[in-house]
Amino acid sequence: ETGVTQTPRHLVMGMTNKKSLKCEQHLGHNAMYWYKQSAKKPLELMFVYSLEERVENNSVPSRFSPECPNSSHLFLHLHTLQPEDSALYLCASSQGSGVASSYEQYFGPGTRLTVT
Amino acid sequence: QQQVKQSPQSLIVQKGGISIINCAYENTAFDYFPWYQQFPGKGPALLIAIRPDVSEKKEGRFTISFNKSAKQFSLHIMDSQPGDSATYFCAAIFSNAGKSTFGDGTTLTVKP
Repeated sequence: ETGVTQTPRHLVMGMTNKKSLKCEQHLGHNAMYWYKQSAKKPLELMFVYSLEERVENNSVPSRFSPECPNSSHLFLHLHTLQPEDSALYLCASSQGSGVASSYEQYFGPGTRLTVT
Repeated sequence: QQQVKQSPQSLIVQKGGISIINCAYENTAFDYFPWYQQFPGKGPALLIAIRPDVSEKKEGRFTISFNKSAKQFSLHIMDSQPGDSATYFCAAIFSNAGKSTFGDGTTLTVKP
């Protein structure tokens, strides 16, 4: 596997379900991100982890819960979602911040989530 | 306040033509400007990027023009092909924060 991988690629869940999205990066990066991309809307940054520490949480509802157990893996735990949460959820990684950073973010293919 | 404004929202170009997408930013602390290309059902992929000490960068048919004084940068796609049809996002990054701020995206359609 190379780059950034995400599983599952498609997910349909009811509003009372609990599910998790998984992201894995094989680039040796130390920062990881979750984005939400809805139709005809800009990319919305949800969470940022740098060196496994959450450094940003953009007022995301508590029904979304991120977890970063190590620098290569990132999870997004979902529970009691709403239909408006249906979107493409993108994971990205980068070489963190600071002088030696490469700055560009590399994205996974996304998980298409449908909440029924 | 939106920190990066991208235009146009959509663009239709004939095959062989030049596609031009523009972005403007507010904060002069941004110091790295990448462009991403996204095909339907895929994640955005890094296309080309520029630093503000350079006025132009070219990679194949893709060129970034950068105007630091006007706080604007643009993507030019020469000899546009139907396979270039995708959504393009500009971004601006603070080096110290490593955080990207994205434009709203431009949907490009290249007609054969």
